[in-house]
Amino acid sequence: QKEVEQDPGPLSVPEGAIVSLNCTYSNSAFQYFMWYRQYSRKGPELLMYTYSSGNKEDGRFTAQVDKSSKYISLFIRDSQPSDSATYLCAMSAWSGAGSYQLTFGKGTKLSVIP
Amino acid sequence: GAGVSQTPSNKVTEKGKYVELRCDPISGHTALYWYRQSLGQGPEFLIYFQGTGAADDSGLPNDRFFAVRPEGSVSTLKIQRTERGDSAMYLCASSQSKTSEQFFGPGTRLTVL
Repeated sequence: QKEVEQDPGPLSVPEGAIVSLNCTYSNSAFQYFMWYRQYSRKGPELLMYTYSSGNKEDGRFTAQVDKSSKYISLFIRDSQPSDSATYLCAMSAWSGAGSYQLTFGKGTKLSVIP
Repeated sequence: GAGVSQTPSNKVTEKGKYVELRCDPISGHTALYWYRQSLGQGPEFLIYFQGTGAADDSGLPNDRFFAVRPEGSVSTLKIQRTERGDSAMYLCASSQSKTSEQFFGPGTRLTVL
């Protein structure tokens, strides 16, 4: 079992829909949780960064963290064709060897159809 | 200010050759990470620098891979005797401190023929 599980999709939704993206994890030591957006052949772009359980909102994006269930979500409201990309969840914990390296899910490929 | 930059954006080489990939982090960011991303996968950690020293190199796959950051800013990832399995996107990220958000560069796409 991988430390971070993420359904790779693909996920296709009509423009204006609410999108829900999810990851589960097995390592209870994870403390920091992130969502990145990656367009084809580009580097990941940070969307959301959270530390504690609960919700965090930024514009059309809401990140949820449930540490008791080891489950994180990203919601996108009023989805746009420009949101079409791969969404990567990532999380980190003290590695014991000196870093807070990120552990990523495989990414979910999202297409928003006009 | 400028984000993380990486050069070259694409590198094609032949099996057995030596390559260097460069990362220029965001100014003032002391923490620097290298990751490798294969097609259809999430990035995987390679090495972490805090300042000039490699504080955590536990993700390097073997001794053909080496990285330096001599002045605590620009970093170079070096791969000796490249193999076809080294073909991937190599990503660099920097952050203000080891627990802060990591910001990624555009990556270098390495192809080993």
